[in-house]
Amino acid sequence: TQLLEQSPQFLSIQEGENLTVYCNSSSVFSSLQWYRQEPGEGPVLLVTVVTGGEVKKLKRLTFQFGDARKDSSLHITAAQPGDTGLYLCAGEPYNTDKLIFGTGTRLQVFP
Amino acid sequence: DTGVSQDPRHKITKRGQNVTFRCDPISEHNRLYWYRQTLGQGPEFLTYFQNEAQLEKSRLLSDRFSAERPKGSFSTLEIQRTEQGDSAMYLCASSSNGWSTEAFFGQGTRLTVV
Repeated sequence: TQLLEQSPQFLSIQEGENLTVYCNSSSVFSSLQWYRQEPGEGPVLLVTVVTGGEVKKLKRLTFQFGDARKDSSLHITAAQPGDTGLYLCAGEPYNTDKLIFGTGTRLQVFP
Repeated sequence: DTGVSQDPRHKITKRGQNVTFRCDPISEHNRLYWYRQTLGQGPEFLTYFQNEAQLEKSRLLSDRFSAERPKGSFSTLEIQRTEQGDSAMYLCASSSNGWSTEAFFGQGTRLTVV
């Protein structure tokens, strides 16, 4: 069974703080994606990483794919209340078209 | 085309009733996926189609669940003899060529079985 564990599960911080969310697995993935989901809505894709060691930046968000393609991290600089939501990592295993989702990290940013 | 559309957004049903959900993917996308998400958890894979062919089904999908995509466009997910454990958000996603290309999720159908 391919599992993606995210940590922390919950994160509550003040506006302006930095944070990192981790996504770990014992399995290797051909690509990995990060999504943000708001209550009552579907997940919205933030980024896709496909190369081991790849780093992508999206404004204040920095995403990294591990060298071994088993793990990833999401770093947010100077968090804002608009960053509040459920952050999900999701990996695409080799030789399958399923996307395996992580357990999720619920982020709350207070003004 | 405004994205992936799901209908209804919310459904409340009595235990034992049948329900059907519809998903309209982005028109040029040939892949369509169904996921189920319970509160506080990540989505779990149920099944997916490439055009009209159903290529994979999860073991989570009991014989009470069936999905179709008859003309390779919209898809339906039917749950027969609903149980309280079926209460969840049912999400549909579509993509043009797998997850390494951009995929889009619909807003989901929230099912409550009472």
